[in-house]
Amino acid sequence: DQQVKQNSPSLSVQEGRISILNCDYTNSMFDYFLWYKKYPAEGPTFLISISSIKDKNEDGRFTVFLNKSAKHLSLHIVPSQPGDSAVYFCAARTSSGYALNFGKGTSLLVTP
Amino acid sequence: ETGVTQTPRHLVMGMTNKKSLKCEQHLGHNAMYWYKQSAKKPLELMFVYNFKEQTENNSVPSRFSPECPNSSHLFLHLHTLQPEDSALYLCASSQGSSGGTTDTQYFGPGTRLTVL
Repeated sequence: DQQVKQNSPSLSVQEGRISILNCDYTNSMFDYFLWYKKYPAEGPTFLISISSIKDKNEDGRFTVFLNKSAKHLSLHIVPSQPGDSAVYFCAARTSSGYALNFGKGTSLLVTP
Repeated sequence: ETGVTQTPRHLVMGMTNKKSLKCEQHLGHNAMYWYKQSAKKPLELMFVYNFKEQTENNSVPSRFSPECPNSSHLFLHLHTLQPEDSALYLCASSQGSSGGTTDTQYFGPGTRLTVL
């Protein structure tokens, strides 16, 4: 059973606007969450992370929000740029193991 | 070379062949991982090595055999694979047990494997 879900397979946003990518999880033991970005023919690239003791982490144009009670996190990209077009994966892990549990990804297209 | 490298990038093999995938990390990390990404599925963890010791085997069939001779190198030996094993195989590395609860994994570019 999949513990990390990204229910939107794709998202299209205009350049300069906000992109919001969503992720839900079912395991309440998850305490560290990550977002990865993947271009075709490349491996996933680490983007930003958040631990369960925080509800927000910001790095430049990227902000991740965590709502533990709803078991939901989101990635905001402001402003979106055409170079942000990629597949974005949400991942989560517990403190007791190494395994990252990944969602299926959301394909973001930023149009000029 | 920087980061995590993988060779070969593409591999086509028959079901009776034996081949190996190689991964090398240049980040000074202590943990290395093999993941599999099949079409329409999320990345699935296969194996974890921490300080050269295998710490996780995620119920992977024995036709996949990992080897970690040192903290910088990781191999995946393949033999008598099936067509359904065709997938993208990704290697990753992290600080490992010394990385604490915020240990972050960094990925290589992957090997696209096709089994005929």
